[in-house]
Amino acid sequence: QVQLQESGPGLVKPSQTLSLTCTVSGASINSGGYYWTWIRQPAGKGLEWIGRVYSTGDTYYNSSLKSRVTISADTSRNHFSLHLTSVTAADTAMYYCATGQHSTTWPLRFDSWGRGTLVTVSS
Amino acid sequence: DIQMTQSPSSLSASVGDRVTITCRASRSISNYLNWYQHKPGKAPKILIYAVSNLQSGVPSRFSGSGSGTDFSLTISSLQPEDFATYFCQQTYSTVTFGGGTKVEIK
Repeated sequence: QVQLQESGPGLVKPSQTLSLTCTVSGASINSGGYYWTWIRQPAGKGLEWIGRVYSTGDTYYNSSLKSRVTISADTSRNHFSLHLTSVTAADTAMYYCATGQHSTTWPLRFDSWGRGTLVTVSS
Repeated sequence: DIQMTQSPSSLSASVGDRVTITCRASRSISNYLNWYQHKPGKAPKILIYAVSNLQSGVPSRFSGSGSGTDFSLTISSLQPEDFATYFCQQTYSTVTFGGGTKVEIK
């Protein structure tokens, strides 16, 4: 069973960069065909997929955030990270990491999630 | 992007009630539809994958159905531990989620 834990600052100033880390246990981040994913949920709103890094290192981002987002994997620490630049109050949200494995049989699903970490953008 | 419209956004029900939540996709997503349960302060938990397949360890009172654009999650007999928020997810084209349904105690 893969376990995920988000970490990072809970408060970020406007125009700065939001940086979060998701620590992975129970799986190796560079094998197994996993999609290492970031998702967020502003208070009172629905979930928004931010993007993912695949086990091979390939990345794919939500087109609405693509110009500001970087997701990367650190194989030595077995974690993956989210960097979101030029943040505004609209980026205030609960941020979750999640993962699921590639399958030729079944559509992608996220078997494992972190509990989430609240990030507030405010001066 | 594929929009997922989930309804209702909230409902009140009693223990033992049958509860159905629906999710409609803005275009056909084949069977690329999953359902999750989320309780405050906890990690979301997958219940159903590929429309109707019960995730290992999930009670059989949960079931899913549908095809194309219209899908539903049914809880056959609501239990105290089922009071939570439920959301659907499509993975046919990138990933999008329904708005969620909060199931509260009547």
